Amino acid sequence: DAGVIQSPRHEVTEMGQEVTLRCKPISGHDYLFWYRQTMMRGLELLIYFNNNVPIDDSGMPEDRFSAKMPNASFSTLKIQPSEPRDSAVYFCASSLGGPNSYEQYFGPGTRLTVT
Amino acid sequence: GDSVTQMEGPVTLSEEAFLTINCTYTATGYPSLFWYVQYPGEGLQLLLKATKADDKGSNKGFEATYRKETTSFHLEKGSVQVSDSAVYFCALSDRGQFYFGTGTSLTVIP
Repeated sequence: DAGVIQSPRHEVTEMGQEVTLRCKPISGHDYLFWYRQTMMRGLELLIYFNNNVPIDDSGMPEDRFSAKMPNASFSTLKIQPSEPRDSAVYFCASSLGGPNSYEQYFGPGTRLTVT
Repeated sequence: GDSVTQMEGPVTLSEEAFLTINCTYTATGYPSLFWYVQYPGEGLQLLLKATKADDKGSNKGFEATYRKETTSFHLEKGSVQVSDSAVYFCALSDRGQFYFGTGTSLTVIP
């Protein structure tokens, strides 16, 4: 398997623009997670899905952020409008769920810079 | 609620030194415990895991033992290499929730 695939790897955009990050999880995995990593706040869970359904979005910072998972092989994280404080590395991860043995497989991340 | 606390870094060691990174947890259920490693410019990778008390996870010379009595899962390696320089995250999963520690940066100097 190719692992979790994220695109783009790097994104530079201007404040106010819409940004869409994409993720393809490992085939057969039923959980998908979106994280944000910054030096100041470390690794933060934004939202996760189980069988394409959002389960917990309490980590989404505000209404400018939205995430969708239209099918088992694709998810997007959208920021509209973007702000400089959204600059971070965004990771997607997937796992094959079980009661107590989640192993999350991370993608390489998308480095977002908002100027 | 559940949480993970790991020692603050950064940690700097000489090559072949012994490594310990402390991790303690709080959980209401029976969690599984993990160590993840993040090399510069990459995503996190699972390093090792343990799913029940007294289990020992091991990989690439790293070890960690699930200690329920002390609620700990300390990461150890007997002889670190320069290539072990990375950020290490302790994590737990419990009843459908997943929690990461804040990460400990390790730098190994020749």
